[in-house]
Amino acid sequence: AQRVTQPEKLLSVFKGAPVELKCNYSYSGSPELFWYVQYSRQRLQLLLRHISRESIKGFTADLNKGETSFHLKKPFAQEEDSAMYYCALSGRTGRRALTFGSGTRLQVQP
Amino acid sequence: DAGVIQSPRHEVTEMGQEVTLRCKPISGHNSLFWYRQTMMRGLELLIYFNNNVPIDDSGMPEDRFSAKMPNASFSTLKIQPSEPRDSAVYFCASTGTSGAYEQYFGPGTRLTVT
Repeated sequence: AQRVTQPEKLLSVFKGAPVELKCNYSYSGSPELFWYVQYSRQRLQLLLRHISRESIKGFTADLNKGETSFHLKKPFAQEEDSAMYYCALSGRTGRRALTFGSGTRLQVQP
Repeated sequence: DAGVIQSPRHEVTEMGQEVTLRCKPISGHNSLFWYRQTMMRGLELLIYFNNNVPIDDSGMPEDRFSAKMPNASFSTLKIQPSEPRDSAVYFCASTGTSGAYEQYFGPGTRLTVT
């Protein structure tokens, strides 16, 4: 079975502080990992995926297979980063459905 | 493109009534997903279709839930009879054959069963 765990329901930081949203997964094969974000009154949308190794809006995430983690990081948080963040996993080859974590609400205070 | 379209955006109904949620995927996308979001359980996959065929319905809670995709541009999720514990936000998402599984989500339908 595949599972995604986001241990923090709420993470509150001040503007300019570093941010790390934790994500751990359980999957026996080689997973595809994603971070999705939902801003207030907007749709859930893809933020980044591990295979792209890209930085989006200053966020990065590295897949650590040894620790089965895919933490989302940003060195300096901005108020506009406040949103709900979901880590997601796609496991079996050809199976396009995602398994989501329970989500972490990030609050960036001025 | 308007993206994934869902209707209604809000639905309030009484226990025992039938509820039908609708979804129009992005044109050209061949996979469609129904998710349910609750405070307790987060985002859960209910069912997904590939080329209009149900591939995995293991997330459908019970026989009261059913989903159909009669053609590539329309899907429904029906709950009959509805119960208060079905109250949640129901999302529809679609994805195409290209790209690495990026799913495009609709705005969701907030269902309240009283």
